[in-house]
Amino acid sequence: GENVEQHPSTLSVQEGDSAVIKCTYSDSASNYFPWYKQELGKRPQLIIDIRSNVGEKKDQRIAVTLNKTAKHFSLHITETQPEDSAVYFCAASPNYGQNFVFGPGTRLSVLP
Amino acid sequence: DVKVTQSSRYLVKRTGEKVFLECVQDMDHENMFWYRQDPGLGLRLIYFSYDVKMKEKGDIPEGYSVSREKKERFSLILESASTNQTSMYLCAAGGGYNEQFFGPGTRLTVL
Repeated sequence: GENVEQHPSTLSVQEGDSAVIKCTYSDSASNYFPWYKQELGKRPQLIIDIRSNVGEKKDQRIAVTLNKTAKHFSLHITETQPEDSAVYFCAASPNYGQNFVFGPGTRLSVLP
Repeated sequence: DVKVTQSSRYLVKRTGEKVFLECVQDMDHENMFWYRQDPGLGLRLIYFSYDVKMKEKGDIPEGYSVSREKKERFSLILESASTNQTSMYLCAAGGGYNEQFFGPGTRLTVL
């Protein structure tokens, strides 16, 4: 089955700097890659996603890139703000999003 | 605009008890999911259902069962609770190429 690895497990950046979180997946059939953000004490929420026919997608300060050949994808957050502090989960789906395999998560801290 | 609710936020049970966790969604979505969340392990899929009375095993189904008698309700059952099932349990609905909406979670402690 699918296996998703995620690095780093923790990340601290200064406010205004960029943050990058990287994930790798094992199943070459995976075709959908969402990213979820979970703030402390709250439920995970989708922040951006990408399908396998696209190499990059951007939404304001966040962007995701996908390299199918290398089987890895990354989340990029620019101009980080304190409200970006949260745990971020990447996920991969081998069946068009019907179900996901999540990575272990990255705890991002944005320092003022 | 509540989309997914769970019956309890906190639950304490004894080893060997039968435990029911209930999840209700108001989105009329076919897909529903049960995950457990543990530090450093992320969100692991226990079971999911893509239609009434249908269920599929996820990555860690051992020790759990599910029931989906109505479209809006998906129940997770621990037949005989054990201490290693102490965890945060999250229900979700949605998916396909759309967001999975998560419930608030149930923190289960098994003593």
